[in-house]
Amino acid sequence: GAGVSQSPRYKVAKRGQDVALRCDPISGHVSLFWYQQALGQGPEFLTYFQNEAQLDKSGLPSDRFFAERPEGSVSTLKIQRTQQEDSAVYLCASSPRTDTQYFGPGTRLTVL
Amino acid sequence: AQTVTQSQPEMSVQEAETVTLSCTYDTSENNYYLFWYKQPPSRQMILVIRQEAYKQQNATENRFSVNFQKAAKSFSLKISDSQLGDTAMYFCAFMKLSGNQFYFGTGTSLTVIP
Repeated sequence: GAGVSQSPRYKVAKRGQDVALRCDPISGHVSLFWYQQALGQGPEFLTYFQNEAQLDKSGLPSDRFFAERPEGSVSTLKIQRTQQEDSAVYLCASSPRTDTQYFGPGTRLTVL
Repeated sequence: AQTVTQSQPEMSVQEAETVTLSCTYDTSENNYYLFWYKQPPSRQMILVIRQEAYKQQNATENRFSVNFQKAAKSFSLKISDSQLGDTAMYFCAFMKLSGNQFYFGTGTSLTVIP
């Protein structure tokens, strides 16, 4: 079946703009994760959903970051008033349970 | 806190040869999962191999195998008969059995030389 998809693949924003990044998980996967990957680094955890419930948002770097998954399927990561330090690749992953995670291609965000 | 260390930022190997990528981790947990993921230049992370800490037998997946040393908290990846398509960034990852997030290392960039 189809894998995890993310859109857009690339996003350029001016500092101060709001952005919304979308993730379509593998159908039927209960768990959904968001990670931030800075250039040359490993991914770092942002937040986790089980169905529509956001069970862990301990990795969100500030209150400008907000994630939702209202129907337990598609998820959106929103960043308000973007800053240059928000420039990174944002990875989404889904899992049928909470062990092996399947990653999407990522959205590369560049904040000018 | 869990930490994962990959001490080899870059490695290269001749096509058809064998290469080993190192990974160590620090945890107070007794049960957990360990993973190796591959990230080619297209940036899609692909699962290479997975190991449950309670299993003593090392995981194997075709040309990929691990050397899991629980006491030493070491989890190296061996790639046999290296192929050009193995060129990628490789990430080691840790997850608690009761957890929900991965802890990643900083990655090893592997280049297979023809």
